[in-house]
Amino acid sequence: GAVVSQHPSWVICKSGTSVKIECRSLDFQATTMFWYRQFPKQSLMLMATSNEGSKATYEQGVEKDKFLINHASLTLSTLTVTSAHPEDSSFYICSAGGGIYNEQFFGPGTRLTVL
Amino acid sequence: LAKTTQPISMDSYEGQEVNITCSHNNIATNDYITWYQQFPSQGPRFIIQGYKTKVTNEVASLFIPADRKSSTLSLPRVSLSDTAVYYCLVGVENRDDKIIFGKGTRLHILP
Repeated sequence: GAVVSQHPSWVICKSGTSVKIECRSLDFQATTMFWYRQFPKQSLMLMATSNEGSKATYEQGVEKDKFLINHASLTLSTLTVTSAHPEDSSFYICSAGGGIYNEQFFGPGTRLTVL
Repeated sequence: LAKTTQPISMDSYEGQEVNITCSHNNIATNDYITWYQQFPSQGPRFIIQGYKTKVTNEVASLFIPADRKSSTLSLPRVSLSDTAVYYCLVGVENRDDKIIFGKGTRLHILP
């Protein structure tokens, strides 16, 4: 099946710094990608829809100025957590659709820890 | 998107068949039923999708009754490595449509 990668797989940063997470579709093009966050023992929460060449669409309650999304090419979307705080520590996962069942392919996730 | 209800957790033993049922009373005519599996600290992965009756692949079977108001994911002869969270999703499958995940079913396989 198609592969979606994320980089880095984990990151530790100090409070107040910004962190960029990359999501790549390795063998297919994705005009739309999705970003989720997941806290321990909880389900995935959709944060935003990343649209190639246009602005991202954010879910209600997600601060667009804090979670900057850029989808500059058909294979790359980036999520930048600006001025990170400890409460932003979470598991961030991206996905892109396009299987034979139009299913989503998910990246392996990025573990963010803010000290 | 149709609301789904699944058991929060299930325990089973290695070698057993595990059936996880999902209720979706408000499923629409054009909706498909899709199941994803998520191992700890990994992204979810697609398991199986169906519209009606029965679908089987190398991983699982999906049973859907005629009224389509529920579905059952069947995992044959589970092993410890099947310990994961299983999510049932109902909707029109379009690659660019967002997915809203429910709570899923946390399956724990015991030796």
